[in-house]
Amino acid sequence: EAGVAQSPRYKIIEKRQSVAFWCNPISGHATLYWYQQILGQGPKLLIQFQNNGVVDDSQLPKDRFSAERLKGVDSTLKIQPAKLEDSAVYLCASSNVRVSSYNEQFFGPGTRLTVL
Amino acid sequence: RKEVEQDPGPFNVPEGATVAFNCTYSNSASQSFFWYRQDCRKEPKLLMSVYSSGNEDGRFTAQLNRASQYISLLIRDSKLSDSATYLCVVKKWGQLTFGSGTQLTVLP
Repeated sequence: EAGVAQSPRYKIIEKRQSVAFWCNPISGHATLYWYQQILGQGPKLLIQFQNNGVVDDSQLPKDRFSAERLKGVDSTLKIQPAKLEDSAVYLCASSNVRVSSYNEQFFGPGTRLTVL
Repeated sequence: RKEVEQDPGPFNVPEGATVAFNCTYSNSASQSFFWYRQDCRKEPKLLMSVYSSGNEDGRFTAQLNRASQYISLLIRDSKLSDSATYLCVVKKWGQLTFGSGTQLTVLP
C-alpha cells in the first residue's frame, strides 16, 4: 500500500515570498492533518480535515497560512507571505477514523522549508 | 507549561544497555498515549501504544500512570539501530500532541 506522498521535499525561498506544499494521503483515509515541525521540537498540528471539511484550524496562523482539501483527497498548504520563523518541516499525515482512540496516523516524508 | 514534557537528552548509551525515558502530560482529559520514533530527517513513526496495565513489545516496555499523568518507555539490550528521537504523544479527540522528543544515541 502506498504511503502518504508529499511534494516538494525541499524548498528554499526568501522572506515575503509565497510557497505551496502538496499532500496525497493514503487511499481511503478520510482524515488529513498538516503539522509544522521546527528543529528541536515535536510536530505541532496546524489543521485537520475530515473529508473536505475543516475539523480544527485553531493553531493555523490564518493571516498567512491557508489550506484546502477541495475534493476530500489531496490537500494543499500555502504560506503567503513567508517569514523567517516559518522555516520548518511541514508534515502531512492521514488516518482512517477521526475519533478512534487507537487509530494510527501515518506521516508523509515532509517538506523541508528554508526561509532566507 | 507545555502540554507534553520530555527530557530532551541526549542520552548516549553503550550497546546492550537499558535506557528509560520519561514524559509527563498536563491535560487529564487525554484519551490515549503513544511513543513515536523519529529517525534523523525522517517522519515520525508509531513505535507503540501505551496502556495503564503496561505493555511490552520485544525489548520495549511502555507504562502509563494516569493518576500521576506520567508515561515511560524502557528499552532493554539497546541496539545501534535504536538510535533515534523518541517522541511522547498524547491523543484527545483524534488529535495528537507531541512532546519535543528525547534523543538517543547507542554507541558501539
